[in-house]
Amino acid sequence: DAGVIQSPRHEVTEMGQEVTLRCKPISGHNSLFWYRQTMMRGLELLIYFNNNVPIDDSGMPEDRFSAKMPNASFSTLKIQPSEPRDSAVYFCASTPGPAYTEAFFGQGTRLTVV
Amino acid sequence: KNEVEQSPQNLTAQEGEFITINCSYSVGISALHWLQQHPGGGIVSLFMLSSGKKKHGRLIATINIQEKHSSLHITASHPRDSAVYICAVKQGAQKLVFGQGTRLTINP
Repeated sequence: DAGVIQSPRHEVTEMGQEVTLRCKPISGHNSLFWYRQTMMRGLELLIYFNNNVPIDDSGMPEDRFSAKMPNASFSTLKIQPSEPRDSAVYFCASTPGPAYTEAFFGQGTRLTVV
Repeated sequence: KNEVEQSPQNLTAQEGEFITINCSYSVGISALHWLQQHPGGGIVSLFMLSSGKKKHGRLIATINIQEKHSSLHITASHPRDSAVYICAVKQGAQKLVFGQGTRLTINP
């Protein structure tokens, strides 16, 4: 298996533009997580899904952020409109299920909003 | 105060030294994870602990539930061990809360 695949790896966009980050979890994994990493705050959970259903989105910072998981093999994190303070590395991770012992992370998307 | 505190924040050592990274937490947890983040940015799970000790190669992780403390040890450290090590506690079924990380540099 290729692991968790995120795209794009790098994104530079202008303030106010819509940004869509994509994630393909490991096949057969039922739980998917979106994290954000910044120098100031470290890694933070944004939202996670079980069986394509959002379970906890309390980490989503504002209404500008939305996440979807239309099927078991694809998820998106959208920021609209983007702001410079959204600049961060966004990680997607998947696990076999809720009672996981290991989380598998994608390589991350480095987002820069100018 | 952060729910998960790591120390030290930065650690530089010579190749071959024994390394200890500490993690203290202030909340109830179901498990604790140690993660490794390489300079390229990728994150890898090293261990998940809910009690006692685990060993994988030169890495050893321990946890003391009563004291709310965990340590990650590296024996015979090597420059390729240079990375950021992150402690994360599992709250409830699935939610992870992360420490700020410890940046380890091993000089040859």
